Amino acid sequence: DGGITQSPKYLFRKEGQNVTLSCEQNLNHDAMYWYRQDPGQGLRLIYYSQIVNDFQKGDIAEGYSVSREKKESFPLTVTSAQKNPTAFYLCASTPRTGYNYGYTFGSGTRLTVV
Amino acid sequence: AQSVAQPEDQVNVAEGNPLTVKCTYSVSGNPYLFWYVQYPNRGLQFLLKYITGDNLVKGSYGFEAEFNKSQTSFHLKKPSALVSDSALYFCAVRDYGQNFVFGPGTRLSVLP
Repeated sequence: DGGITQSPKYLFRKEGQNVTLSCEQNLNHDAMYWYRQDPGQGLRLIYYSQIVNDFQKGDIAEGYSVSREKKESFPLTVTSAQKNPTAFYLCASTPRTGYNYGYTFGSGTRLTVV
Repeated sequence: AQSVAQPEDQVNVAEGNPLTVKCTYSVSGNPYLFWYVQYPNRGLQFLLKYITGDNLVKGSYGFEAEFNKSQTSFHLKKPSALVSDSALYFCAVRDYGQNFVFGPGTRLSVLP
């Protein structure tokens, strides 16, 4: 079945450490997105990519980095510059950026700083 | 700029009763509106969308939503709630060529 796979499901990060969250899709979608979810704040856009080798900052990109070397993959790195990284991270994709396409979401990665 | 409001953090309803989860929006052009549901520690699942046409949209699991342009609302409804409907519900709006903007979410609790 087609879908989006996020791994790992749970991730623990030490202070000053970079960690990378994986997002892979086999839906042949052009556009991919990373969101951060905090309690009571809904979803906030970190980065998005509409095409391979291109990506744009979202609303809260500071302390994060991404790459889009393959259509299927959009990994997110949480760097040591992100001072409060504990959150639930969601990856999503859509066929393209047309108005009538909804998102398909992965099952999320919960990141905790220890 | 696009924005979405969900005025209720929490909605409680008894099983078998009708439920409504409210959503209002603001966009500069024609709105493209979506509802998603999230179960604990899971991603969001698509419920339904309004793009154009009939103002009453039917979606998954017996949910429906009514688009009201004059009130800029897109409330989610279900005639008879189930305990298994308890989850976090997100309304989202998308302007053409733009990314989604999500509301803050409404937690629905259906009491047996």
